[in-house]
Amino acid sequence: QVQLVQSGAEVKKPGASVKISCKASGYTFTSQGISWVRQAPGQGLEWMGWISAYNGNTNYAQKLQDRVTMTTDTSTSTAYMELRSLRSDDTAVYYCARLLRVGPALNLDYWGPGNLVTVSS
Amino acid sequence: DTQMTQSPSSLSASVGDRVTITCRASESISSYLNWFQQKPGKAPKLLIYAASSLQSGVPSRFSGSGSGTDFTLTISNLQPEDFATYYCQQSYSTLPLTFGGGTKVEIK
Repeated sequence: QVQLVQSGAEVKKPGASVKISCKASGYTFTSQGISWVRQAPGQGLEWMGWISAYNGNTNYAQKLQDRVTMTTDTSTSTAYMELRSLRSDDTAVYYCARLLRVGPALNLDYWGPGNLVTVSS
Repeated sequence: DTQMTQSPSSLSASVGDRVTITCRASESISSYLNWFQQKPGKAPKLLIYAASSLQSGVPSRFSGSGSGTDFTLTISNLQPEDFATYYCQQSYSTLPLTFGGGTKVEIK
């Protein structure tokens, strides 16, 4: 069965960086992509971007593209999301999700449990 | 970016009710529309993809319809486990995969 296991909660100071991991199992990692979605406390879902595990191509949300980098390590079936220059409004639960391509559509069909990242001085 | 607008933002309903949630896209997205359910403290769960296709394992009381800019999610015979927040999301690969603002379904 498809599983996505994320690294643990993080507490960071403003201006720092955070790198979250998402280890996939139960499918061929390079056959699908990984997307990252975040959710601030009490707020809705915000799509951050996606990465193809096949060729490393990325597509980032415009508001984050200067501060975010998504990568994969195919040898360990792990995806990473690094967010730099952290601000208090980056405090959120960060989810990874498998990105299933169905023709031109991209479906987030399996999700990790989420990582709480708290940005506080 | 394509903006996704859901209505209502919240609703109260009783077990056994029929509930309809609307999602409107700021431009035509054909049928590239997914619906998710999220319960407190949990990751979202894919319910409907391609506007009307039921994800494997999702009860048949959930249904989706629409195309272009206007979409609906219908829950017939609302069950206690259906009280949650629902999000629409556009899924066309060349566009940002933006989410709607969410609709919280509460117990009346």
